[in-house]
Amino acid sequence: ETGVTQTPRHLVMGMTNKKSLKCEQHLGHNAMYWYKQSAKKPLELMFVYSLEERVENNSVPSRFSPECPNSSHLFLHLHTLQPEDSALYLCASSQDLGQPQHFGDGTRLSIL
Amino acid sequence: KNEVEQSPQNLTAQEGEFITINCSYSVGISALHWLQQHPGGGIVSLFMLSSGKKKHGRLIATINIQEKHSSLHITASHPRDSAVYICAVLMDSNYQLIWGAGTKLIIKP
Repeated sequence: ETGVTQTPRHLVMGMTNKKSLKCEQHLGHNAMYWYKQSAKKPLELMFVYSLEERVENNSVPSRFSPECPNSSHLFLHLHTLQPEDSALYLCASSQDLGQPQHFGDGTRLSIL
Repeated sequence: KNEVEQSPQNLTAQEGEFITINCSYSVGISALHWLQQHPGGGIVSLFMLSSGKKKHGRLIATINIQEKHSSLHITASHPRDSAVYICAVLMDSNYQLIWGAGTKLIIKP
């Protein structure tokens, strides 16, 4: 138990669907992150939030839309995804930016 | 060339063997992480170090800042150590982690 919970664990969706990934941390951390992990590639940082403000958006397509309503919750809203978006999406949190990150178990996303 | 290089990419060993995984980087860093990822996806942070050596159980991590190199050692390896081990560096210019591609370790009984 890392203190970071992601739901759902697995998600299969069509390209026209709209779905959301949820991340919740119970650690009192101020920073939260979304990563994408594709097969045999290093983790790619997608978004970073610090104190509920987005501080990083690494050229992520607009079909991915993050939301951080409070410091404990982070969402990734998905719409009109492409097959190449199939990957493991990992959420992490840290006390502050630059501190060790704690990871969730990830959501395995498959786009049909 | 990637900014963080790990070697080997794949490693298979027998139970009990001493394991070494290497990480070299080319950027200025403030710290280096070693993480473990089991099948199914969950990532666990093993070490965060900026100098010298750290030990936790059978795991030892070392870093040489001048040579921009770090090693992760596993003593008395066990099949439950089978996982992907990832090196990630925290750049000294910002808070971003640059990730290595990982080393897939399989320990056979």
